[in-house]
Amino acid sequence: GENVEQHPSTLSVQEGDSAVIKCTYSDSASNYFPWYKQELGKGPQLIIDIRSNVGEKKDQRIAVTLNKTAKHFSLHITETQPEDSAVYFCAARATGTASKLTFGTGTRLQVTL
Amino acid sequence: NAGVMQNPRHLVRRRGQEARLRCSPMKGHSHVYWYRQLPEEGLKFMVYLQKENIIDESGMPKERFSAEFPKEGPSILRIQQVVRGDSAAYFCASSTGGGGYNEQFFGPGTRLTVL
Repeated sequence: GENVEQHPSTLSVQEGDSAVIKCTYSDSASNYFPWYKQELGKGPQLIIDIRSNVGEKKDQRIAVTLNKTAKHFSLHITETQPEDSAVYFCAARATGTASKLTFGTGTRLQVTL
Repeated sequence: NAGVMQNPRHLVRRRGQEARLRCSPMKGHSHVYWYRQLPEEGLKFMVYLQKENIIDESGMPKERFSAEFPKEGPSILRIQQVVRGDSAAYFCASSTGGGGYNEQFFGPGTRLTVL
């Protein structure tokens, strides 16, 4: 089955700096890669996703890149703000077969003033 | 448009009791997924259901756990004879379809504590 690894487990940046979170996956059949933000006591919220036919996708301060050959994908947050502090999860799914998402172990991002 | 609703938000049970977790999907969504999150860990898939059908239960423990999504009413995740290791946050997600690139929308979760 699919295995998703995520690094780092914790990340502290100063307000205004960039944050990068990296994930790798094992199943070459995976073709959908969403990123979720989870605030304390809440459920995960989708912030951006990327499909395997695209190498990069951007939405304002958030971008995601995908390297299918290396089975890597990354989340980039620029101009970080205190409200970006949360736990971020990457996930992978093979849309042609299973519908379940396989999640990484999460990155706790702390944006300091 | 209300999001995915889960209740109760917090549930405390003693060892050996039963826990029932309910999930109402978003309006128009007929696909429901249950995930479990242990402290400081990611979400682990448990089961995927459509109305009146279990599609994939590969993540469900073989004993004590069951799930249903009846024609009417919420989806139910049932844990019989709970043990301390069942303490976790249980999240439900729903989507309009099961394949393709359909986004899964998550509820706020039920935090189960087994004493």
